[in-house]
Amino acid sequence: EPEVTQTPSHQVTQMGQEVILRCVPISNHLYFYWYRQILGQKVEFLVSFYNNEISEKSEIFDDQFSVERPDGSNFTLKIRSTKLEDSAMYFCASSEPSTRVQHFGDGTRLSIL
Amino acid sequence: AQSVTQLGSHVSVSEGALVLLRCNYSSSVPPYLFWYVQYPNQGLQLLLKYTSAATLVKGINGFEAEFKKSETSFHLTKPSAHMSDAAEYFCAVDQTMNTGFQKLVFGTGTRLLVSP
Repeated sequence: EPEVTQTPSHQVTQMGQEVILRCVPISNHLYFYWYRQILGQKVEFLVSFYNNEISEKSEIFDDQFSVERPDGSNFTLKIRSTKLEDSAMYFCASSEPSTRVQHFGDGTRLSIL
Repeated sequence: AQSVTQLGSHVSVSEGALVLLRCNYSSSVPPYLFWYVQYPNQGLQLLLKYTSAATLVKGINGFEAEFKKSETSFHLTKPSAHMSDAAEYFCAVDQTMNTGFQKLVFGTGTRLLVSP
């Protein structure tokens, strides 16, 4: 069964550094998403992406965050200058419009030191 | 805005016992509701979804959920727990925005513990 893949599984970064989280969505899906889960808290929506542009974003998704689909298969989340509070599990998801079901990757655990 | 509330951050059952995980939703429009399961160090896997068809929805691994509009509930059940069911379970509502784009709003999750 097709699946969403995310790399790396764990990323450790110094505060203030840039980090790029990578995702390969399911190939025939058109909608892409990033969510995050701070340890012990609920999964929170960050951003959705369609047709090479952001369709929705949450208040969490400030100017430090950006998303890109650089080559037609990858979908990336960049955090320009990381803060301690960015430490979380980041999940990528993709969906097709007919099913309204989002398929999630296994996540990237981001640890900011 | 739509939201979901999961009662009980932890639920403990014995192997073979009934599993009941509670989820109540708040929505001004007919909701699309989902249950996802997260096993340790893994992502979110869809268990089942409600999309306004049958009110009793059957999912994978023997789980099912019943949509009750009068109670604004979408509780997840399984008749007989198995050790492999130990995981975190998330209820979510599809909050489709005015733009037509979808986003999921999750509950806080319920950790299911299964003892022998």
